[in-house]
Amino acid sequence: DIVMTQAPLSVSVTPGESASISCRSSKSLLHSNGITYVYWYLQKPGKSPQLLIYRMSNLASGVPDRFSGSGSETDFTLKISRVEAEDVGIYYCGQLLENPRTFGGGTKLELK
Amino acid sequence: EVQLVESGGGLVQPGRSLKLSCVASGFTFSNYGMNWIRQAPGKGLEWVAYISSGSSYIYYAETVKGRFTISRDNAKNTLYLQMTSLRSEDTALYYCVRHTARGLDYWGQGVMVTVSS
Repeated sequence: DIVMTQAPLSVSVTPGESASISCRSSKSLLHSNGITYVYWYLQKPGKSPQLLIYRMSNLASGVPDRFSGSGSETDFTLKISRVEAEDVGIYYCGQLLENPRTFGGGTKLELK
Repeated sequence: EVQLVESGGGLVQPGRSLKLSCVASGFTFSNYGMNWIRQAPGKGLEWVAYISSGSSYIYYAETVKGRFTISRDNAKNTLYLQMTSLRSEDTALYYCVRHTARGLDYWGQGVMVTVSS
């Protein structure tokens, strides 16, 4: 199975500042078709997860452009610029390259 | 508006069975693969099963293989998860999730399954 490892476990950010969350996969998520099958999700308190970033760097519909995704074959970063109160929650990375689909353990973002 | 509404959860004794349903609306259900993903209380996300649009491809997590069965009825816009031989570790909130080329783009509100004597 592909293991997804996130860091840090939690991050505390001052509103208006930036935050970065890292995710590492135990295997390259770069397919021969050139697509990197890593995704980012946000689970706000008491809510279902929502898709933020697909295929490493593409913004999902309706997601503010304060969010961005980047990375290589095994190391990925979610960056949130100008953090707002609505960004609070748990962020998960996940892979859809192969079965079983797997997720990172999550990173909790809080406001200072 | 895309909606996924799960039902069928509840409290069940170990070893018993339960069947979850997810009714989809707001999109052409028969065009999309679907997943069940669960989240144990206070824990992270665990993928459970996937079924392709026409049910040709079905995959399971090893933790549920042989006990759970995913199925769908495209005429009824409904996804199912038949769960048998339930264990305490199956206790979780179960999400019905749409699968697209852009990933897992819509999640239901979830249905709670509690396995306890």
